[in-house]
Amino acid sequence: ETGVTQTPRHLVMGMTNKKSLKCEQHLGHNAMYWYKQSAKKPLELMFVYNFKEQTENNSVPSRFSPECPNSSHLFLHLHTLQPEDSALYLCASSRDRSSYNSPLHFGNGTRLTVT
Amino acid sequence: AQSVTQLGSHVSVSEGALVLLRCNYSSSVPPYLFWYVQYPNQGLQLLLKYTSAATLVKGINGFEAEFKKSETSFHLTKPSAHMSDAAEYFCAVSETGANNLFFGTGTRLTVIP
Repeated sequence: ETGVTQTPRHLVMGMTNKKSLKCEQHLGHNAMYWYKQSAKKPLELMFVYNFKEQTENNSVPSRFSPECPNSSHLFLHLHTLQPEDSALYLCASSRDRSSYNSPLHFGNGTRLTVT
Repeated sequence: AQSVTQLGSHVSVSEGALVLLRCNYSSSVPPYLFWYVQYPNQGLQLLLKYTSAATLVKGINGFEAEFKKSETSFHLTKPSAHMSDAAEYFCAVSETGANNLFFGTGTRLTVIP
């Protein structure tokens, strides 16, 4: 049990579908993150939320739309994706934005396949 | 600009042998450095971190890493590999101390019985 739960674990979707990834943390953290993990590439930070406010968007295409209704929940809404978007999407949380005091806690990820 | 380079995408060691996973960083300011481990079908878990205190950092599961400014390195070591150490290891850097870490491409460690 990591304290960060991601659903679903696996998702297969067509390029015209709309789906959402869900992340929930039970750690009382205030910051939440979406990372994309592709084979042979560094983890890519996509979005950062701190106290429900988006603080970073690292040039992510608009077909990815995050939502953070409260400090415990984070969603990633997907629409009209491309095959190259197939990857493992990792959610993480931390107590605050300082890496010194509060390391990242990761969920187990959602394996996304776009067909 | 900050970045990390992990030399060797795949390392194999025999059980009981020394583990050495290499990480070199690039940073314009004194960095914060991290090693994370990812076991199969799981997310990443923090192994250890360097935040400008002692240059030799001890982490979980018997791992340690040494910050060497002159070599811009932060290599991860363990004296004796165990089968349960088989995983992927990621080095990461932050210049600001904030949690927007820049990760390396990872090194997959295989332990041979």
